[in-house]
Amino acid sequence: DGGITQSPKYLFRKEGQNVTLSCEQNLNHDAMYWYRQDPGQGLRLIYYSQIVNDFQKGDIAEGYSVSREKKESFPLTVTSAQKNPTAFYLCASSTGDSPNTEAFFGQGTRLTVV
Amino acid sequence: QKEVEQDPGPLSVPEGAIVSLNCTYSNSAFQYFMWYRQYSRKGPELLMYTYSSGNKEDGRFTAQVDKSSKYISLFIRDSQPSDSATYLCAMRKQAGTALIFGKGTTLSVSS
Repeated sequence: DGGITQSPKYLFRKEGQNVTLSCEQNLNHDAMYWYRQDPGQGLRLIYYSQIVNDFQKGDIAEGYSVSREKKESFPLTVTSAQKNPTAFYLCASSTGDSPNTEAFFGQGTRLTVV
Repeated sequence: QKEVEQDPGPLSVPEGAIVSLNCTYSNSAFQYFMWYRQYSRKGPELLMYTYSSGNKEDGRFTAQVDKSSKYISLFIRDSQPSDSATYLCAMRKQAGTALIFGKGTTLSVSS
């Protein structure tokens, strides 16, 4: 089945720790995205990547880092610099070809700081 | 002013009602418009996708885009309890660029 897989589904982090969220897609999509969702805030863009080995900061990139070494994979690291990391994290992908450029989402990772 | 505005609701309707969900936007460069449905604690699921202006129908769902008014709508006919979810509008300027989302409207359909 083609799709986007995020893991783990639930993640707990201690204060001061870095954690990495996994996002893998087998849709052969060029573009991948990370969003954060908080209650009442909608989805806010953290980072996105349009091609391998290239990525751009979104609206709330501080305290996060990403890499895009392979087309299929776009992991997100939540660093200790992120002061309020508890949230629902969503990964998405889309083609870069107009006009068929719908974006599809994974099932999310819920990160909680303990 | 936010780029995309969406009334968060909540919106409560009886089963069988016609539901109208709306978003307004400020940037005329947006060309691609999407509606997502999100159930609690799940990832958003793509419902409708429209490129540029016009209407698109898929079963009980109709998406409308009015670029002159910078206004998009999603209509749900014969609403069902299973339609109870949060509906997110999203849009982008160019293929491959980031989607900009509204805050989502929470819909509850009672039987």
